[in-house]
Amino acid sequence: DFVVTQSPLYLSVTPGEPASISCRSSQSLLHSNGYNYLDWYLQKPGQSPQILIFLGSNRASGVPDRFSGSGSGTDFTLKISRVEAEDVGIYYCLQTLHTLTFGPGTKVDIK
Amino acid sequence: QVQLVQSAAEVKKPGASVKLSCKAAGYTLDTSYIHWVRQAPGQGLEWMGIINLSGGATNFAQKFQGRVTMTSDTSASTVYMELNSLKSEDTAFYYCALTRRHIMDRGVIVETLDPWGQGTLVTVSS
Repeated sequence: DFVVTQSPLYLSVTPGEPASISCRSSQSLLHSNGYNYLDWYLQKPGQSPQILIFLGSNRASGVPDRFSGSGSGTDFTLKISRVEAEDVGIYYCLQTLHTLTFGPGTKVDIK
Repeated sequence: QVQLVQSAAEVKKPGASVKLSCKAAGYTLDTSYIHWVRQAPGQGLEWMGIINLSGGATNFAQKFQGRVTMTSDTSASTVYMELNSLKSEDTAFYYCALTRRHIMDRGVIVETLDPWGQGTLVTVSS
């Protein structure tokens, strides 16, 4: 079974400062087509999740460019270049190479 | 702009079944896929399964196999998820999510879960 972990599980960030979240998979998410099947979702307080990044590094439509994704194989990172108040919420990575598996989530709030 | 509108909250007793609906507004649900994801209060997201709206094929997480059914009524642009033999641990928000298709380089097609419905709270309590 795929196991997806995230770190840290909690992050408190000063507005304007950068933030970084790590996601690790127990198996490689690199497909033979060259793409990594790892997405990032954000669930803002009281809302449904929303897509941020797909295939490891592709920003979804309408997502601010302060969000970026990187990584390959089993190790991935979501970076926010300058955190804003509206970025609070829980960030989940999701592997889609096999039976979909979410990471446990990283809660981000503002100092 | 596609919106998924889910049915109202439900309260069920242990052992009962619940059938939730997810209706697409502004979109004809005759192709694509719908995922169901649940979230226990204060917990993370858990993928339950997927239904192919073109033909009705389904695929479920092993944890739910034998206990979940997903169906669709494309004429009503609505999908349904029924969960049987409810336990207190099934108390959760249940979300439906439409797949959005992206065509990448070399013709690679991938899908994201976008958009999501607003969620339906199911409470299982005696």
